Amino acid sequence: SQKIEQNSEALNIQEGKTATLTCNYTNYSPAYLQWYRQDPGRGPVFLLLIRENEKEKRKERLKVTFDTTLKQSLFHITASQPADSATYLCALYGQNFVFGPGTRLSVLP
Amino acid sequence: GAVVSQHPSRVICKSGTSVKIECRSLDFQATTMFWYRQFPKQSLMLMATSNEGSKATYEQGVEKDKFLINHASLTLSTLTVTSAHPEDSSFYICSARDPDRGDGGELFFGEGSRLTVL
Repeated sequence: SQKIEQNSEALNIQEGKTATLTCNYTNYSPAYLQWYRQDPGRGPVFLLLIRENEKEKRKERLKVTFDTTLKQSLFHITASQPADSATYLCALYGQNFVFGPGTRLSVLP
Repeated sequence: GAVVSQHPSRVICKSGTSVKIECRSLDFQATTMFWYRQFPKQSLMLMATSNEGSKATYEQGVEKDKFLINHASLTLSTLTVTSAHPEDSSFYICSARDPDRGDGGELFFGEGSRLTVL
């Protein structure tokens, strides 16, 4: 069956470091993959989209990689700040959207 | 600003009553909207796809008579939880895509509605 996993339920890092979040999937061939940020009690907010024929995409301090052979996407936040603390969701799009369980990132001052 | 608006943000109701949640696309027309349910510390679970002018498509295991969806216009979809019970308490979120914005693939989410059934 199709499955999406994100490396850990929670991740704590020190301010200024690079946060790396992982999204792995099985039994899926997505046309593209997305990353969203969700703050407590709010709806998710779109961050980045990467297509199956793209290896890497950047937006300001964010970088996403997509390896369709490994069936994995890495999401990096460089020079992390306490304001980056949130839950980050990966989402795959094939016939419809399927979301991963999320990783709760805490950036400690 | 927000491109998808959801209302109400919080609602508390008694068991057995019905609750309606509205989802509006503010500056684009959405022929399709999506309704999700989210339990604490869990991911979004797609409940149904709302199609303007036609019946909604429900995911497996979602009771269509329990969760009534109406998409009467290109900017409004409603989710009605009928005869609500405490186990229906959850965070409900709607989303839509604007094919003319950005990459065209991103989902714009509403602010979510926290339903508590007493």
